[in-house]
Amino acid sequence: EDQVTQSPEALRLQEGESSSLNCSYTVSGLRGLFWYRQDPGKGPEFLFTLYSAGEEKEKERLKATLTKKESFLHITAPKPEDSATYLCAVLYGGATNKLIFGTGTLLAVQP
Amino acid sequence: DTEVTQTPKHLVMGMTNKKSLKCEQHMGHRAMYWYKQKAKKPPELMFVYSYEKLSINESVPSRFSPECPNSSLLNLHLHALQPEDSALYLCASRPRANSNQPQHFGDGTRLSIL
Repeated sequence: EDQVTQSPEALRLQEGESSSLNCSYTVSGLRGLFWYRQDPGKGPEFLFTLYSAGEEKEKERLKATLTKKESFLHITAPKPEDSATYLCAVLYGGATNKLIFGTGTLLAVQP
Repeated sequence: DTEVTQTPKHLVMGMTNKKSLKCEQHMGHRAMYWYKQKAKKPPELMFVYSYEKLSINESVPSRFSPECPNSSLLNLHLHALQPEDSALYLCASRPRANSNQPQHFGDGTRLSIL
């Protein structure tokens, strides 16, 4: 069954305490993996696209990596403003071109 | 600021009312999407429009009626909704339905059914 799983469900960090969020997937024909950030009451904000194993993307304190089975979102020295829900979404399939969202990781960074 | 604009931001309606949600994008995208999102859950796909034609309806009840008047606009007409339809309704767009590029989301309409 095609599936996207994110872990942990929730993560509490102290400001400056680096960590990683995981997105594992079992789909046929990966076409792309997307990371989004969602603040309460807002729509998902696009962060990164990864297309092939070994690819890495970086933006400020965030770095996304991709293997054949999972993606990591590394957060280096987080700040309270990094608190949000982080969603990954996997695009797969040929003509059907389906997108599956993971259930998200709720990140809280305390000062 | 998002490049996909949704109005209204909040909507409260009774079960017998008729209302519409509006979504607008000026990025030249030809694929537009409606999602429903409940609290602490990921977005659930409702409808996909490709080149102004409905291409996917994820078995959504007929009390939700989508419309795409032109390549920049997407509407969702609501009628006789149920309390369980209360949710955040998100619109998204991307260049083409079969592209590998990400979807870009609006900030949604928070809908409450009394």
